[in-house]
Amino acid sequence: GDSVTQMEGPVTLSEEAFLTINCTYTATGYPSLFWYVQYPGEGLQLLLKATKADDKGSNKGFEATYRKETTSFHLEKGSVQVSDSAVYFCALISYDKVIFGPGTSLSVIP
Amino acid sequence: EAGVAQSPRYKIIEKRQSVAFWCNPISGHATLYWYQQILGQGPKLLIQFQNNGVVDDSQLPKDRFSAERLKGVDSTLKIQPAKLEDSAVYLCASSYTGTINYGYTFGSGTRLTVV
Repeated sequence: GDSVTQMEGPVTLSEEAFLTINCTYTATGYPSLFWYVQYPGEGLQLLLKATKADDKGSNKGFEATYRKETTSFHLEKGSVQVSDSAVYFCALISYDKVIFGPGTSLSVIP
Repeated sequence: EAGVAQSPRYKIIEKRQSVAFWCNPISGHATLYWYQQILGQGPKLLIQFQNNGVVDDSQLPKDRFSAERLKGVDSTLKIQPAKLEDSAVYLCASSYTGTINYGYTFGSGTRLTVV
C-alpha cells in the first residue's frame, strides 16, 4: 500500500544552520505531496504542497521539490530560527486518502 | 474564516470508562475526518464522512469506537470502553469537496490520557 518514510529524529540544529528533512514515498498513481508542521501544543498546519512532478512548494523560507524519479519530497530551509522548532510531517494524498509519515522533531537552539 | 473547532482540549479518564469528543468543521466543508495521533507517530485516519454518510471507516476499531455526523455538520467520536492504548491526540479535519489536493484544515485536537 501507499506509504511515507521520513528521516528519524530528533534533529537538533543551531540557529541559522541549513535544514534538510528527507522524505520518500511509495504510491500507486500520482499523489499530491505535502509538508505539515505541528508546533508544541498546537494542531497540524499545512506548510507547503506540490501537486505534480517537478513542482516546488515553498512557504516561510521552507522549500520542497516533488521528485518523481526518486519518489522524494525533501524539506529544506537555508537558515533555521528558534521559532522553527516543531514536528514536521511529510504526507501524500492519493485517491482521496491522506497518509502521513511518522514525523521528524526539530529543535533549534540559539 | 473560523477554523475547525474541537472540544475538549484535554481529557483524562480511567480505563474502561467512556469518553466523547466533539468537532465542528469549517462552514461549508462537506468532508470531515477523525484521526488518531499516538505520541511519536503520524496521524492515522479513523473515519471519513461525506456530509452525514461514512466514506471510510476501515481503520476504526468498531468494537469500542463509534462516530456520527448528524445533519452533515458537527461530529462526535466516542470510545467505550477505553483502553490504555487509546491514549493519543484525536484530530478532526475538514475539507471542501473538490479541493482535496489543496489539503485539509485541522483542529487543535483533543489529548486523551487513559490511566
